[in-house]
Amino acid sequence: AAGVIQSPRHLIKEKRETATLKCYPIPRHDTVYWYQQGPGQDPQFLISFYEKMQSDKGSIPDRFSAQQFSDYHSELNMSSLELGDSALYFCASSSPSGTEDTQYFGPGTRLTVL
Amino acid sequence: AQKITQTQPGMFVQEKEAVTLDCTYDTSDPSYGLFWYKQPSSGEMIFLIYQGSYDQQNATEGRYSLNFQKARKSANLVISASQLGDSAMYFCAMRERSYGNNRLAFGKGNQVVVIP
Repeated sequence: AAGVIQSPRHLIKEKRETATLKCYPIPRHDTVYWYQQGPGQDPQFLISFYEKMQSDKGSIPDRFSAQQFSDYHSELNMSSLELGDSALYFCASSSPSGTEDTQYFGPGTRLTVL
Repeated sequence: AQKITQTQPGMFVQEKEAVTLDCTYDTSDPSYGLFWYKQPSSGEMIFLIYQGSYDQQNATEGRYSLNFQKARKSANLVISASQLGDSAMYFCAMRERSYGNNRLAFGKGNQVVVIP
């Protein structure tokens, strides 16, 4: 079965640079979520989109922005990178059918800021 | 306040034995979902099992079962017949449905090491 695709899988940036993370949800899933997992931490919710509209916003820094496109893929844009942004960034997708709305996670993008 | 609590220290489990991972949660929302995810050392987050707050029966999925005790607000994961590939971090997560969003709140995780 098709899974969530994230690219790139690994990214190394310098402080103050920008980064763009991409997410391709499972086909026919219309909701995308972004999570940040720092080293040794649990994932923290950043933001989500439903039908290309922002549906929920969590602890996402103002330096970050995201959007969902007409083909349902999503991009997380990160500017003025800081050392503390080094983390594993997950994208997850879900379908509203049924009551579970289970979120299926991609493999993650490991961002290292030097 | 932490919505999901996982307090067990790292656990060593003998292969083929069962292991129970504790999870307690805190919510005033009558409609919520509880999830368990597995994160191996490679980093991916793998969905294991789901329990809805209105589900009458405990969820089961292969070797995974969820011991759901609603009054005690606990949702413990039971892994039967442990395998070496079960070595991973296990996260309990909750989604509160009534607040109009689907964000997951995670616990701190339980580390499991299966030994032969």
